[in-house]
Amino acid sequence: EDQVTQSPEALRLQEGESSSLNCSYTVSGLRGLFWYRQDPGKGPEFLFTLYSAGEEKEKERLKATLTKKESFLHITAPKPEDSATYLCAAGFQKLVFGTGTRLLVSP
Amino acid sequence: GAVVSQHPSWVICKSGTSVKIECRSLDFQATTMFWYRQFPKQSLMLMATSNEGSKATYEQGVEKDKFLINHASLTLSTLTVTSAHPEDSSFYICSARKTATTGELFFGEGSRLTVL
Repeated sequence: EDQVTQSPEALRLQEGESSSLNCSYTVSGLRGLFWYRQDPGKGPEFLFTLYSAGEEKEKERLKATLTKKESFLHITAPKPEDSATYLCAAGFQKLVFGTGTRLLVSP
Repeated sequence: GAVVSQHPSWVICKSGTSVKIECRSLDFQATTMFWYRQFPKQSLMLMATSNEGSKATYEQGVEKDKFLINHASLTLSTLTVTSAHPEDSSFYICSARKTATTGELFFGEGSRLTVL
């Protein structure tokens, strides 16, 4: 059964305190690994797509990396506005979503 | 960019009534749209896949007669919750695929349905 597991479930950081979020997956026929940001009461906002092990993508303070079994979302020197739930999804025709990591960055 | 608009953002209705939610891709044509349901602090659960001009494909356990999906054009899909009951209260989110060669989905803002 296709499965995506994210950890930790919740993470509290001080502003400027870098950390990483984990996404492990077991998906047959993986064509892509996707990261999204979701703010409360809103739909997910697309961040990154990773297609092959070793691939990395960056956007501002976020960097996503991919291995054969997991992906990491690295957050460097986070700011309070980075507070959100970060979702990971895997697959292609149908995406399987993890339950997300709720990130809270305190000033 | 890829903008998906969903309407209404929130709706309150009485038990037994039907509610329609619209999903539009504003700056691209979407051959495939997806409807998700999300409960508090839970992941997105795929309800159905909607293809333009054909019948929607529903996930196991989703009642097709309760959740009617129509994909009338390349930019519009609708979800109608028929004879809504309190247990149908949830956050419904649509998404659209911009191209067939990449997998990323672009999501609408979501619709919060409360059935009294």
